[in-house]
Amino acid sequence: ETGVTQSPTHLIKTRGQQVTLRCSSQSGHNTVSWYQQALGQGPQFIFQYYREEENGRGNFPPRFSGLQFPNYSSELNVNALELDDSALYLCASSSGTGGTGELFFGEGSRLTVL
Amino acid sequence: QKEVEQDPGPLSVPEGAIVSLNCTYSNSAFQYFMWYRQYSRKGPELLMYTYSSGNKEDGRFTAQVDKSSKYISLFIRDSQPSDSATYLCARSYGGSQGNLIFGKGTKLSVKP
Repeated sequence: ETGVTQSPTHLIKTRGQQVTLRCSSQSGHNTVSWYQQALGQGPQFIFQYYREEENGRGNFPPRFSGLQFPNYSSELNVNALELDDSALYLCASSSGTGGTGELFFGEGSRLTVL
Repeated sequence: QKEVEQDPGPLSVPEGAIVSLNCTYSNSAFQYFMWYRQYSRKGPELLMYTYSSGNKEDGRFTAQVDKSSKYISLFIRDSQPSDSATYLCARSYGGSQGNLIFGKGTKLSVKP
């Protein structure tokens, strides 16, 4: 186990609704990254937070937003849900913003949008 | 052209076989290359990483980067049923640890 916990593990929403996913990072890690993994695809980078500031963003629209808290836990918010938002959302924590890219992933939150 | 291309498989081999998994990439600026393993219903876990080009060995696993041909390989010797998983290659520029570009993943099944 990586020590990264995500909640909820599964959820179902309808198109147009809003969702908040939560992540508790591994002890000692100050950086959190969020990824979207559609079925049969590799994870796609959404954004990264370092010391409560957004520190890099992938090709996702502004309705994907996030927060990082002083204890380095994080939230991913998605507004105006679309069917294509159905995916596994992965949170990964790491220490610092440089280096070899070793991320510690949680088990993900599986979102289904109907 | 996607930045990292990977054959999704599936790939099925008998126990004990040597497995070769491959990726190609398009951007020469990539610095770090990684292999992640993802079991069903789990998050990816880092298996190996290499910087620049060359080989790196860890037990039954060998990662190889050929920058001249933009080719990344992972070899698994003496494959075991517990190696059955999806293998994801990834690259990073190195400047932002969290921003990895992943391939689609290759699903491997090792039959007893």
